[in-house]
Amino acid sequence: DAGVIQSPRHEVTEMGQEVTLRCKPISGHDYLFWYRQTMMRGLELLIYFNNNVPIDDSGMPEDRFSAKMPNASFSTLKIQPSEPRDSAVYFCASSRPGWGEQYFGPGTRLTVT
Amino acid sequence: SQKIEQNSEALNIQEGKTATLTCNYTNYSPAYLQWYRQDPGRGPVFLLLIRENEKEKRKERLKVTFDTTLKQSLFHITASQPADSATYLCALDVGAGKSTFGDGTTLTVKP
Repeated sequence: DAGVIQSPRHEVTEMGQEVTLRCKPISGHDYLFWYRQTMMRGLELLIYFNNNVPIDDSGMPEDRFSAKMPNASFSTLKIQPSEPRDSAVYFCASSRPGWGEQYFGPGTRLTVT
Repeated sequence: SQKIEQNSEALNIQEGKTATLTCNYTNYSPAYLQWYRQDPGRGPVFLLLIRENEKEKRKERLKVTFDTTLKQSLFHITASQPADSATYLCALDVGAGKSTFGDGTTLTVKP
């Protein structure tokens, strides 16, 4: 298996622009997680899905952030409009039901200028 | 409020020694606890999971202990090597398939 796939790997955008991050989980994994990692705040859970349904979005910082999972093999995290404080590394992870271990993608490094 | 604390932001040890990393938590009752390794520029990689009814778990040179009374997990790397240098994260189960991560400890093994 190719593991969790994320795109793009790097994104540089200007404040106010829309940003879309993409994730393909490992086949057969029912859980999908979106995290954000910064030096100041560490690894924070933004939202997670079970069987394509959002279960907990309490970590989404504000309405500018939205996430979707239209099918079992694809998810997006969108920021609109983006702000400099959104600069971070965004990770997607997936796991199987009943298994705690999560498999992380390589991350998307987002820079908003 | 819930809190996870990984003692020591950084740990430096000599090659061949045993590295011991700690993870303390408050106000949780996790069913399991996990340890991950993260290298610069990469995503965390799962290493070990230990359940609340397990005291100790081993995998090659790695050993994890879990004391639910002390609310503490210890992560040991025996016969450490420079290649073990990385940031190690503990993650606690907080229910419904979700985990909360600590801030990590950066281990440097010097040859």
